[in-house]
Amino acid sequence: AQSVSQHNHHVILSEAASLELGCNYSYGGTVNLFWYVQYPGQHLQLLLKYFSGDPLVKGIKGFEAEFIKSKFSFNLRKPSVQWSDTAEYFCAVKSWGGGNKLTFGTGTQLKVEL
Amino acid sequence: GAVVSQHPSRVICKSGTSVKIECRSLDFQATTMFWYRQFPKQSLMLMATSNEGSKATYEQGVEKDKFLINHASLTLSTLTVTSAHPEDSSFYICSAPASTDTGELFFGEGSRLTVL
Repeated sequence: AQSVSQHNHHVILSEAASLELGCNYSYGGTVNLFWYVQYPGQHLQLLLKYFSGDPLVKGIKGFEAEFIKSKFSFNLRKPSVQWSDTAEYFCAVKSWGGGNKLTFGTGTQLKVEL
Repeated sequence: GAVVSQHPSRVICKSGTSVKIECRSLDFQATTMFWYRQFPKQSLMLMATSNEGSKATYEQGVEKDKFLINHASLTLSTLTVTSAHPEDSSFYICSAPASTDTGELFFGEGSRLTVL
């Protein structure tokens, strides 16, 4: 069965530090890849997505992610985090032909300290 | 603003009672909605796909008689947890597709169910 792994469960950073959150998936075929974010008290919302084309995708709030097919990875990055980036981040994968079904990683809780 | 609305956001009930959670798509029609369940410190697990006008499709291991799903209109899906027990306590999240077959979803706010 398809699975998604997020290696970091809790990350604590100081403001202005750089961020990289790892995401690996197990499915070998064509995939659509997502990062969703959940700010405290809010619903999950899309941060960025990759369907095809340039493997480096840019999302909202200065986030970007790089799809490396050979590594089955879709790591999330931000050069300089802000206190307002404190949230839980979920990587998700949709396999081709799977309709709109998503498989989620376990999430990474990011805390940014002032 | 939110495009999928879920209600209630929190509910506490006694063991043995049933609880209904509503999920509405705002300003768009959703022939399909998805119900997820999230345990503390764990991933979102897909429970079932709600299909407007037909039976829901349940994921393996999900009891369809316990988790009743109704999708009677193009903007409303409901999840009823029947004869709830403490182990049903969880965070339930609904979602609707943002586009066809891409996997991109709009999510509701989630409903925290606590069964005493």
